[in-house]
Amino acid sequence: KQEVTQIPAALSVPEGENLVLNCSFTDSAIYNLQWFRQDPGKGLTSLLLIQSSQREQTSGRLNASLDKSSGRSTLYIAASQPGDSATYLCAVRPREYSSASKIIFGSGTRLSIRP
Amino acid sequence: NAGVTQTPKFRILKIGQSMTLQCTQDMNHNYMYWYRQDPGMGLKLIYYSVGAGITDKGEVPNGYNVSRSTTEDFPLRLELAAPSQTSVYFCASSYRSGIDDNEQFFGPGTRLTVL
Repeated sequence: KQEVTQIPAALSVPEGENLVLNCSFTDSAIYNLQWFRQDPGKGLTSLLLIQSSQREQTSGRLNASLDKSSGRSTLYIAASQPGDSATYLCAVRPREYSSASKIIFGSGTRLSIRP
Repeated sequence: NAGVTQTPKFRILKIGQSMTLQCTQDMNHNYMYWYRQDPGMGLKLIYYSVGAGITDKGEVPNGYNVSRSTTEDFPLRLELAAPSQTSVYFCASSYRSGIDDNEQFFGPGTRLTVL
């Protein structure tokens, strides 16, 4: 059974630092991996989607990498800003669910950027 | 486009009451999903639909029912509310063509408390 883990559960860094958020999954048989941002009391916003054939995706100050063989993904945030404070979740779509877009979520990393 | 909309935003139910959580999307997405998120946890899939008239169970379907009579609407029904159903409920949608997956778009959530 696919499991997705995000460590640490919470992270606090000063503004301006570059940082990396980690996501690991137990089964390398995935279709894709997605990173989301969740603000308190709000829904999820999709940040980046990496297909299984890709190694990374970039959007602005965000870069997500995928290493299926090791079951790991990282989300790199450059030059962090207080507005980046949120909970970041990763989710994988396992290949076992071949007929639908079921995805398995990690429990998230709560990021706080100190001014 | 309004994207994915959910009503109500908040609701308190007594044990044994029933209610319907509404979800509508205006992006002509074929796939729709219902998730629940418990405090400090990731999201778990309750039900999903691959198109009008087609629904299937997710990871945690017990105590819930869904229907999909139109492309736009995907209501979630709780028949006999229990305290274990206290959670935040998110509706999402995506467009999928064949095996290719696109990002999921989420609604703002419904915070449900069962007392």
